[in-house]
Amino acid sequence: GAVVSQHPSWVICKSGTSVKIECRSLDFQATTMFWYRQFPKQSLMLMATSNEGSKATYEQGVEKDKFLINHASLTLSTLTVTSAHPEDSSFYICSALRDTGTYGYTFGSGTRLTVV
Amino acid sequence: DAKTTQPPSMDCAEGRAANLPCNHSTISGNEYVYWYRQIHSQGPQYIIHGLKNNETNEMASLIITEDRKSSTLILPHATLRDTAVYYCIVRAPNAGNEKLTFGTGTRLTIIP
Repeated sequence: GAVVSQHPSWVICKSGTSVKIECRSLDFQATTMFWYRQFPKQSLMLMATSNEGSKATYEQGVEKDKFLINHASLTLSTLTVTSAHPEDSSFYICSALRDTGTYGYTFGSGTRLTVV
Repeated sequence: DAKTTQPPSMDCAEGRAANLPCNHSTISGNEYVYWYRQIHSQGPQYIIHGLKNNETNEMASLIITEDRKSSTLILPHATLRDTAVYYCIVRAPNAGNEKLTFGTGTRLTIIP
């Protein structure tokens, strides 16, 4: 149990275009999901917290107009990188918080974004 | 501020037990210790968590000191597939602060 599906696993896009990444909890409901970014040889950096039915909360230094987050249902959150630039190339990972118990978080498999 | 301290890297021979330490000297009474690992180019994978008692599951054992200021993750028979970055995180579930913050972790390399 506790599976989170993230799609696509990798994407290459041209500079100036937008890319949408989906994160789905397959067998549980998640009112809260998280988006992380990871640069090579670095740890995961939390970008934002996504709450179902409300606006996302962004970490300091993360541009909310550039990284649009939508959490329209209890099983789906999306991250859209708008007007992507090469410096946005990174590994993006989502995580879903299970609603009950101490189990904690389940992570997606990540999306490798390359902006050319 | 980092709530946990881990060695940046460790090596372990294949088939031997891998013991990964973590210091969390400022842990609060309601905080659990969680361990995750991240294999290259994948999302983190949950391993185990505990509050104060030692825990064991099919993947690993977690030994927490009596004062809860440190813990050790034990992979009993390490295989090459256990090569990954291991993260020790403290968190109080259902306490209102839902963020999961990653430190730098320990890069474990299993040597054939």
